[in-house]
Amino acid sequence: KAGVTQTPRYLIKTRGQQVTLSCSPISGHRSVSWYQQTPGQGLQFLFEYFSETQRNKGNFPGRFSGRQFSNSRSEMNVSTLELGDSALYLCASSSGTGGNSPLHFGNGTRLTVT
Amino acid sequence: KQEVTQIPAALSVPEGENLVLNCSFTDSAIYNLQWFRQDPGKGLTSLLLIQSSQREQTSGRLNASLDKSSGRSTLYIAASQPGDSATYLCAVRTNAGKSTFGDGTTLTVKP
Repeated sequence: KAGVTQTPRYLIKTRGQQVTLSCSPISGHRSVSWYQQTPGQGLQFLFEYFSETQRNKGNFPGRFSGRQFSNSRSEMNVSTLELGDSALYLCASSSGTGGNSPLHFGNGTRLTVT
Repeated sequence: KQEVTQIPAALSVPEGENLVLNCSFTDSAIYNLQWFRQDPGKGLTSLLLIQSSQREQTSGRLNASLDKSSGRSTLYIAASQPGDSATYLCAVRTNAGKSTFGDGTTLTVKP
């Protein structure tokens, strides 16, 4: 079974631009969540989607948005990029949201904003 | 607001030693607790998941325990190997879709 796939692996953008990151979950998984990882803040929750609906959102500005498609693939968009948005963006999928549903992570997208 | 703390932040041990990593959380109303390892520049690899009703889980040389009432979990690694060198993170799921992570313990196992 293929794991969680994130594309692209690396991105370099300049301030003010926007970027879209993609995540394909494990087949059959309906929950996709996104996290930002930085050396100073660690892993921080961005948002979670289940069956195309955003169910949870972290404390990030409105420049961060996402969506989920009917095949459970998810995209995350960041508009008006700032230097502080440089980070490793990780996507995780799970089969459900109960206590026995582990998170499975992709290898992430490394975003550098110059 | 759930807060997760991992102690120590870094640990260096000689090969073959048994070791314990600690994770504490402030809100005991959790769905589950999951331990991960992360290698530099990579994503997270799931090691063990303990549901809120469980006390421990084992996989090979790894054993994780959970004490919800005290807000603590430990990850025990037996007979450590250089390949175990990585950052270990614990994550607590406190509602349907959100997990809160600790800052991790960076483990170095010296040959």
